[in-house]
Amino acid sequence: SQQGEEDPQALSIQEGENATMNCSYKTSINNLQWYRQNSGRGLVHLILIRSNEREKHSGRLRVTLDTSKKSSSLLITASRAADTASYFCATDGDKIIFGKGTRLHILP
Amino acid sequence: DAGVIQSPRHEVTEMGQEVTLRCKPISGHDYLFWYRQTMMRGLELLIYFNNNVPIDDSGMPEDRFSAKMPNASFSTLKIQPSEPRDSAVYFCASSKAVSVGQFFGPGTRLTVL
Repeated sequence: SQQGEEDPQALSIQEGENATMNCSYKTSINNLQWYRQNSGRGLVHLILIRSNEREKHSGRLRVTLDTSKKSSSLLITASRAADTASYFCATDGDKIIFGKGTRLHILP
Repeated sequence: DAGVIQSPRHEVTEMGQEVTLRCKPISGHDYLFWYRQTMMRGLELLIYFNNNVPIDDSGMPEDRFSAKMPNASFSTLKIQPSEPRDSAVYFCASSKAVSVGQFFGPGTRLTVL
Protein backbone atom coordinates (compact mmCIF):
# COMPACT_ATOMS: atom_id res chain seq x y z
CA SER A 1 0.00 0.00 0.00
CA GLN A 2 1.04 3.60 -0.44
CA GLN A 3 3.38 4.99 2.19
CA GLY A 4 2.10 8.53 1.87
CA GLU A 5 -1.61 9.21 1.99
CA GLU A 6 -2.81 12.75 1.49
CA ASP A 7 -6.08 14.14 2.67
CA PRO A 8 -8.33 15.58 1.63
CA GLN A 9 -8.39 14.06 -1.84
CA ALA A 10 -9.81 17.29 -3.18
CA LEU A 11 -10.12 20.81 -1.80
CA SER A 12 -11.81 23.92 -3.17
CA ILE A 13 -11.26 27.29 -1.51
CA GLN A 14 -11.70 30.95 -2.35
CA GLU A 15 -8.74 32.93 -3.59
CA GLY A 16 -6.99 34.58 -0.68
CA GLU A 17 -7.86 31.85 1.82
CA ASN A 18 -5.35 29.45 3.29
CA ALA A 19 -5.18 25.84 2.10
CA THR A 20 -4.07 23.00 4.33
CA MET A 21 -3.26 19.52 3.11
CA ASN A 22 -2.19 16.57 5.21
CA CYS A 23 -0.03 13.54 4.60
CA SER A 24 0.25 10.39 6.69
CA TYR A 25 2.78 7.65 6.32
CA LYS A 26 3.43 4.26 7.84
CA THR A 27 7.13 3.59 8.39
CA SER A 28 10.25 5.47 9.44
CA ILE A 29 11.50 8.08 7.02
CA ASN A 30 14.64 10.09 6.35
CA ASN A 31 12.89 13.02 4.71
CA LEU A 32 9.46 14.09 3.55
CA GLN A 33 8.97 16.20 0.46
CA TRP A 34 6.06 18.04 -1.09
CA TYR A 35 5.57 18.41 -4.83
CA ARG A 36 3.09 20.26 -7.01
CA GLN A 37 1.75 19.01 -10.32
CA ASN A 38 -0.14 21.20 -12.72
CA SER A 39 -2.49 19.44 -15.11
CA GLY A 40 -0.60 17.65 -17.85
CA ARG A 41 2.81 18.57 -16.49
CA GLY A 42 5.59 16.97 -14.50
CA LEU A 43 5.95 17.37 -10.76
CA VAL A 44 7.73 20.38 -9.30
CA HIS A 45 9.58 20.11 -6.01
CA LEU A 46 8.30 22.55 -3.39
CA ILE A 47 9.99 21.82 -0.09
CA LEU A 48 11.85 19.11 1.82
CA ILE A 49 11.72 18.59 5.57
CA ARG A 50 14.12 16.26 7.30
CA SER A 51 13.03 13.79 9.93
CA ASN A 52 14.73 15.80 12.69
CA GLU A 53 12.93 19.02 11.71
CA ARG A 54 9.47 20.01 12.91
CA GLU A 55 8.63 23.00 10.75
CA LYS A 56 9.92 24.67 7.63
CA HIS A 57 8.91 27.74 5.66
CA SER A 58 9.38 28.76 2.06
CA GLY A 59 7.59 31.86 0.87
CA ARG A 60 3.85 31.24 1.29
CA LEU A 61 4.45 27.59 2.14
CA ARG A 62 4.67 26.17 5.64
CA VAL A 63 5.36 22.50 6.25
CA THR A 64 5.16 20.70 9.57
CA LEU A 65 6.31 17.21 10.42
CA ASP A 66 5.23 15.12 13.39
CA THR A 67 7.24 11.89 13.36
CA SER A 68 5.44 10.57 16.43
CA LYS A 69 2.15 10.71 14.52
CA LYS A 70 3.81 9.92 11.19
CA SER A 71 2.13 12.90 9.60
CA SER A 72 2.93 16.13 7.81
CA SER A 73 0.93 19.12 6.73
CA LEU A 74 1.39 21.64 3.95
CA LEU A 75 -0.11 25.08 4.44
CA ILE A 76 -0.39 27.51 1.54
CA THR A 77 -1.23 30.98 2.76
CA ALA A 78 -3.07 33.66 0.79
CA SER A 79 -3.91 31.28 -2.04
CA ARG A 80 -3.84 32.41 -5.66
CA ALA A 81 -5.45 31.06 -8.82
CA ALA A 82 -2.01 29.82 -9.89
CA ASP A 83 -1.94 27.50 -6.87
CA THR A 84 -4.60 25.33 -8.51
CA ALA A 85 -2.82 21.99 -8.92
CA SER A 86 -2.38 18.58 -7.35
CA TYR A 87 -0.06 18.35 -4.35
CA PHE A 88 1.85 15.20 -3.43
CA CYS A 89 3.89 14.18 -0.45
CA ALA A 90 6.82 11.83 -0.95
CA THR A 91 8.68 9.93 1.72
CA ASP A 92 12.07 8.27 1.53
CA GLY A 93 12.75 5.54 4.01
CA ASP A 94 13.67 2.20 2.54
CA LYS A 95 11.92 3.29 -0.63
CA ILE A 96 10.78 6.51 -2.25
CA ILE A 97 7.00 6.55 -2.17
CA PHE A 98 4.55 9.18 -3.37
CA GLY A 99 1.01 9.59 -2.13
CA LYS A 100 -1.97 9.88 -4.47
CA GLY A 101 -2.23 13.61 -3.98
CA THR A 102 -4.66 16.35 -3.03
CA ARG A 103 -6.36 18.21 -5.90
CA LEU A 104 -6.53 21.88 -4.91
CA HIS A 105 -8.84 24.23 -6.76
CA ILE A 106 -8.69 27.95 -6.04
CA LEU A 107 -11.97 29.69 -6.82
CA PRO A 108 -11.83 33.27 -8.15
CA ASP B 1 19.85 24.13 -18.43
CA ALA B 2 16.89 22.79 -20.40
CA GLY B 3 15.72 20.59 -17.55
CA VAL B 4 14.92 16.91 -17.85
CA ILE B 5 14.05 16.03 -21.43
CA GLN B 6 11.77 13.15 -22.34
CA SER B 7 10.78 11.78 -25.71
CA PRO B 8 8.39 11.12 -27.20
CA ARG B 9 5.78 13.23 -25.42
CA HIS B 10 2.98 11.04 -26.69
CA GLU B 11 3.06 7.46 -27.92
CA VAL B 12 0.16 5.42 -29.25
CA THR B 13 0.89 1.82 -30.09
CA GLU B 14 -0.85 -1.48 -30.49
CA MET B 15 -0.72 -4.33 -28.04
CA GLY B 16 2.32 -6.51 -28.55
CA GLN B 17 4.52 -3.77 -29.96
CA GLU B 18 7.80 -2.70 -28.40
CA VAL B 19 7.85 0.75 -26.83
CA THR B 20 10.99 2.73 -25.98
CA LEU B 21 10.86 5.84 -23.84
CA ARG B 22 13.86 8.12 -23.62
CA CYS B 23 15.20 10.50 -21.01
CA LYS B 24 18.03 13.00 -20.79
CA PRO B 25 18.68 14.06 -17.17
CA ILE B 26 19.99 17.40 -16.01
CA SER B 27 23.74 17.59 -16.41
CA GLY B 28 25.54 16.94 -13.14
CA HIS B 29 22.71 14.97 -11.58
CA ASP B 30 23.92 11.56 -10.44
CA TYR B 31 20.47 10.05 -9.83
CA LEU B 32 17.86 9.19 -12.42
CA PHE B 33 14.39 7.90 -11.64
CA TRP B 34 11.62 6.39 -13.77
CA TYR B 35 8.01 6.69 -12.55
CA ARG B 36 4.63 5.62 -13.87
CA GLN B 37 1.47 7.59 -13.07
CA THR B 38 -2.08 6.30 -13.40
CA MET B 39 -5.36 7.38 -11.85
CA MET B 40 -5.76 4.05 -10.10
CA ARG B 41 -2.27 3.58 -8.69
CA GLY B 42 -0.96 7.12 -8.50
CA LEU B 43 2.75 7.76 -9.00
CA GLU B 44 4.90 4.64 -8.72
CA LEU B 45 8.67 4.47 -8.69
CA LEU B 46 9.76 1.88 -11.23
CA ILE B 47 13.56 2.03 -11.00
CA TYR B 48 16.34 4.42 -10.15
CA PHE B 49 19.99 4.70 -11.09
CA ASN B 50 23.00 6.18 -9.34
CA ASN B 51 25.97 7.00 -11.56
CA ASN B 52 24.39 4.92 -14.35
CA VAL B 53 24.04 1.83 -12.13
CA PRO B 54 20.55 0.49 -11.31
CA ILE B 55 20.07 0.68 -7.54
CA ASP B 56 16.47 -0.37 -6.98
CA ASP B 57 14.34 -1.98 -9.66
CA SER B 58 11.80 -3.53 -7.31
CA GLY B 59 9.08 -1.34 -8.77
CA MET B 60 9.44 -2.70 -12.29
CA PRO B 61 6.13 -4.49 -12.77
CA GLU B 62 7.35 -7.51 -14.69
CA ASP B 63 9.96 -8.83 -17.10
CA ARG B 64 8.35 -6.99 -19.99
CA PHE B 65 9.85 -3.82 -18.56
CA SER B 66 13.56 -3.04 -18.77
CA ALA B 67 15.61 0.12 -18.23
CA LYS B 68 19.13 1.05 -19.16
CA MET B 69 21.43 3.96 -18.59
CA PRO B 70 24.41 3.58 -20.94
CA ASN B 71 25.89 6.94 -19.95
CA ALA B 72 25.28 9.88 -17.64
CA SER B 73 23.19 11.77 -20.16
CA PHE B 74 20.78 9.14 -21.45
CA SER B 75 18.39 6.50 -20.21
CA THR B 76 15.73 4.32 -21.81
CA LEU B 77 12.70 2.49 -20.49
CA LYS B 78 11.55 -0.31 -22.76
CA ILE B 79 8.34 -2.29 -22.70
CA GLN B 80 8.26 -5.43 -24.80
CA PRO B 81 5.64 -6.60 -25.54
CA SER B 82 3.33 -3.77 -24.56
CA GLU B 83 -0.17 -4.39 -23.13
CA PRO B 84 -3.19 -2.09 -22.71
CA ARG B 85 -2.67 -2.02 -18.93
CA ASP B 86 0.69 -0.33 -19.53
CA SER B 87 -1.16 2.79 -20.65
CA ALA B 88 -0.02 5.58 -18.31
CA VAL B 89 2.13 8.68 -18.11
CA TYR B 90 5.77 7.79 -17.62
CA PHE B 91 8.00 10.35 -15.93
CA CYS B 92 11.74 10.58 -15.72
CA ALA B 93 13.31 12.62 -12.93
CA SER B 94 16.85 13.43 -11.89
CA SER B 95 18.56 14.77 -8.80
CA LYS B 96 21.98 15.37 -7.27
CA ALA B 97 21.26 13.00 -4.40
CA VAL B 98 18.56 10.54 -3.43
CA SER B 99 17.30 12.61 -0.52
CA VAL B 100 16.91 15.96 -2.20
CA GLY B 101 14.29 17.38 -4.49
CA GLN B 102 13.94 15.70 -7.84
CA PHE B 103 13.48 17.51 -11.15
CA PHE B 104 10.80 15.90 -13.27
CA GLY B 105 10.52 15.81 -17.02
CA PRO B 106 7.26 16.60 -18.81
CA GLY B 107 6.36 12.92 -19.11
CA THR B 108 5.47 10.56 -21.93
CA ARG B 109 1.79 9.72 -22.28
CA LEU B 110 1.63 6.10 -23.49
CA THR B 111 -1.53 4.60 -24.90
CA VAL B 112 -1.53 0.92 -25.79
CA LEU B 113 -4.54 -0.10 -27.87
